[in-house]
Amino acid sequence: TQLLEQSPQFLSIQEGENLTVYCNSSSVFSSLQWYRQEPGEGPVLLVTVVTGGEVKKLKRLTFQFGDARKDSSLHITAAQPGDTGLYLCAGERHSGYALNFGKGTSLLVTP
Amino acid sequence: SQTIHQWPATLVQPVGSPLSLECTVEGTSNPNLYWYRQAAGRGLQLLFYSVGIGQISSEVPQNLSASRPQDRQFILSSKKLLLSDSGFYLCAWSRPTGIAEAFFGQGTRLTVV
Repeated sequence: TQLLEQSPQFLSIQEGENLTVYCNSSSVFSSLQWYRQEPGEGPVLLVTVVTGGEVKKLKRLTFQFGDARKDSSLHITAAQPGDTGLYLCAGERHSGYALNFGKGTSLLVTP
Repeated sequence: SQTIHQWPATLVQPVGSPLSLECTVEGTSNPNLYWYRQAAGRGLQLLFYSVGIGQISSEVPQNLSASRPQDRQFILSSKKLLLSDSGFYLCAWSRPTGIAEAFFGQGTRLTVV
């Protein structure tokens, strides 16, 4: 059973376009993280959200945590080829438990 | 600053051979440690996690085992590899308290032939 569902699975867009990817669950999380992974490397942490309704911005990336702390979204404005990669969300259900990861959204941004 | 080292980066092993992947963390004490496996550019499957020396929790029954002989050392092993053990293996650590943000090693690409 997949605890976190990410959509879409694949996304191919042109440079300059905007996009949103989603991470949904029926479970409540004490925190949720977003990671980006490039081929052949380990995931790198982008952001952590902990409060329901929280919005965090990282340059052209905007992350939002749902009010009920069951879902999250990542919005990228004016995507660039350097944004290409696999975006993974991960949730912490209870303190001291291991993170549960979604299957990821594979993003390709072409010039 | 904290660093995590995972080796080897790539490994080709015959079916039935043993496996030992090692991961060490520097710059922190009593970290939580994790082994994940990732299929072809997709999500991470948690294999084992540890909150302390000698304490191992297994998430998925399989042909693999894990050990934590020292505080900052985590080892993934198998006595006899199967073809289905091929994949990208990732070690990660998180702080022992507070939010469980994971910091990953570079990964090991294992091919069983």
